[in-house]
Amino acid sequence: GAVVSQHPSWVICKSGTSVKIECRSLDFQATTMFWYRQFPKQSLMLMATSNEGSKATYEQGVEKDKFLINHASLTLSTLTVTSAHPEDSSFYICSARDSNAYEQYFGPGTRLTVT
Amino acid sequence: QQPVQSPQAVILREGEDAVINCSSSKALYSVHWYRQKHGEAPVFLMILLKGGEQKGHEKISASFNEKKQQSSLYLTASQLSYSGTYFCGTEDDYKLSFGAGTTVTVRA
Repeated sequence: GAVVSQHPSWVICKSGTSVKIECRSLDFQATTMFWYRQFPKQSLMLMATSNEGSKATYEQGVEKDKFLINHASLTLSTLTVTSAHPEDSSFYICSARDSNAYEQYFGPGTRLTVT
Repeated sequence: QQPVQSPQAVILREGEDAVINCSSSKALYSVHWYRQKHGEAPVFLMILLKGGEQKGHEKISASFNEKKQQSSLYLTASQLSYSGTYFCGTEDDYKLSFGAGTTVTVRA
């Protein structure tokens, strides 16, 4: 149990375009999902907390107009990187918290490369 | 605020033991441990809750000292599959802050 999927697993896009990343909890309901970014050989940095049916909460320094988050249902959250630039290239990982438990489970991640 | 992990890296031979420490300057409610292999997402190992007992996962166990605001992860009789980067995460208002990670390399 506790499977989180992410799509796509990797994407290459041109500078100035937008990319949407989906995160789904497959076998549990997740009231809260989290989006992280990880640069090579670094730790996971929380970008935002996504709550079903309400606006996302962004961490300090994360541009909410650039990283649009939508938590449409108890099993789906999406992150859209708008007007992507090469510095946005990174490994984006979502996690989902089971509504009835404390654990957070991570999706497989999406490697974004902006050229 | 990020927890502090030590050591940064450790190299082991198969069968050897290791301890990874995680400490926080804030009072801890829970500590989450994950292992990440290169190019993959972190995999949940275990969670330790305030007032809870020591947990175990195969030959990997952990302890949580609430008074000292720290947790330790114990790798016992390490296997090649234990290689990876281990992160501890401390929880604050449902959000996790992760340490810098400890890279474990197990050699045959």
